[in-house]
Amino acid sequence: LAKTTQPISMDSYEGQEVNITCSHNNIATNDYITWYQQFPSQGPRFIIQGYKTKVTNEVASLFIPADRKSSTLSLPRVSLSDTAVYYCLVGDIGTGFQKLVFGTGTRLLVSP
Amino acid sequence: NAGVTQTPKFQVLKTGQSMTLQCAQDMNHEYMSWYRQDPGMGLRLIHYSVGAGITDQGEVPNGYNVSRSTTEDFPLRLLSAAPSQTSVYFCASSTRNTIYFGEGSWLTVV
Repeated sequence: LAKTTQPISMDSYEGQEVNITCSHNNIATNDYITWYQQFPSQGPRFIIQGYKTKVTNEVASLFIPADRKSSTLSLPRVSLSDTAVYYCLVGDIGTGFQKLVFGTGTRLLVSP
Repeated sequence: NAGVTQTPKFQVLKTGQSMTLQCAQDMNHEYMSWYRQDPGMGLRLIHYSVGAGITDQGEVPNGYNVSRSTTEDFPLRLLSAAPSQTSVYFCASSTRNTIYFGEGSWLTVV
């Protein structure tokens, strides 16, 4: 199991950049790293996914070092609406659905 | 653009009753799954399916049954509801690497 470790919570202010790091020391060769965002009373929503190096989309960047034992989700210039729980998920659905484990996530609070 | 649709959104059951949570997806994904989420905990996998006619147990399968007769539908059955099954249930469908969740079903067992 590719167990993940994230900070339980983080605080930030509007306009700041937020970096959330996830540790996954026993990541397997075929595993992808995917981040999800969950608002209260909603299902988790896909944010970004990567395998190695850096990935960027319209909402976030994902940094993955060469050893892939950790990853960092970067949210540029956060707003109040970014207040949510962020989950890091490591795995390969194709080789083992039951091996995918959601941790408790990181609760991000953005203040004015 | 429906994605993953779950019904009902809210349900109250009495202990010992049975019910089915419905889940349908319109993305033609082979993989579907059910999770439960309890306060202070992450999502825990109940059952999953890698295609029509194929299901398997996840981390917390006791008290739940599933079937997958079509690609689109993956219902979750509670056989005899217990207060410990009070939770939020999320259905999901997946590509090989990305999971798409429904909006959730809030279940209270009294």
